[in-house]
Amino acid sequence: GAGVSQSPSNKVTEKGKDVELRCDPISGHTALYWYRQRLGQGLEFLIYFQGNSAPDKSGLPSDRFSAERTGESVSTLTIQRTQQEDSAVYLCASSLTRLAVYNEQFFGPGTRLTVL
Amino acid sequence: GENVEQHPSTLSVQEGDSAVIKCTYSDSASNYFPWYKQELGKRPQLIIDIRSNVGEKKDQRIAVTLNKTAKHFSLHITETQPEDSAVYFCAASGVTGRRALTFGSGTRLQVQP
Repeated sequence: GAGVSQSPSNKVTEKGKDVELRCDPISGHTALYWYRQRLGQGLEFLIYFQGNSAPDKSGLPSDRFSAERTGESVSTLTIQRTQQEDSAVYLCASSLTRLAVYNEQFFGPGTRLTVL
Repeated sequence: GENVEQHPSTLSVQEGDSAVIKCTYSDSASNYFPWYKQELGKRPQLIIDIRSNVGEKKDQRIAVTLNKTAKHFSLHITETQPEDSAVYFCAASGVTGRRALTFGSGTRLQVQP
């Protein structure tokens, strides 16, 4: 079936504006993750969803960042009052339910966010 | 929390040579160790993974070894080809508790034809 999809693929915004990034996980995957990748750097964990709840939000860098997930499907990452240091590629990944012994994560293509 | 160190940051090899990338982790509870390949402007793609009940795993030209006592794991690519050129990331996580992947900082591999 289809892989993880994300929209938009690119987003340019002005400092101080709010943005919403969307992730559609693989159908049937109950675990969903958001990561951030700054230019030339590794991936930083932001938040993890199991179903619609978020047992691990420890990577969210500030209270300007929030995320939600509905219907064990689509997730939205919201960044309020964007700052230039928020510029990065935001990657979403999904994996099978926690009942599986595997934790293989499949990544979406990412949203490249540029804050001017 | 978990911390993953990855070395080297860049690696240049001649086509046909072997390449080795090494990672260390800090959390002894981690038990899943994947390796991702990321080409420029593309999403990370899983190339091989290993779980803590296994010491070595091989898939054609790619192999991963794990030493749980020393808390390190390595990626080995043999008979390298120009299309192996990319950034490689190691990662670690547990299947319970903290399930998010903690990534290394990446290794840029350049295979010279």
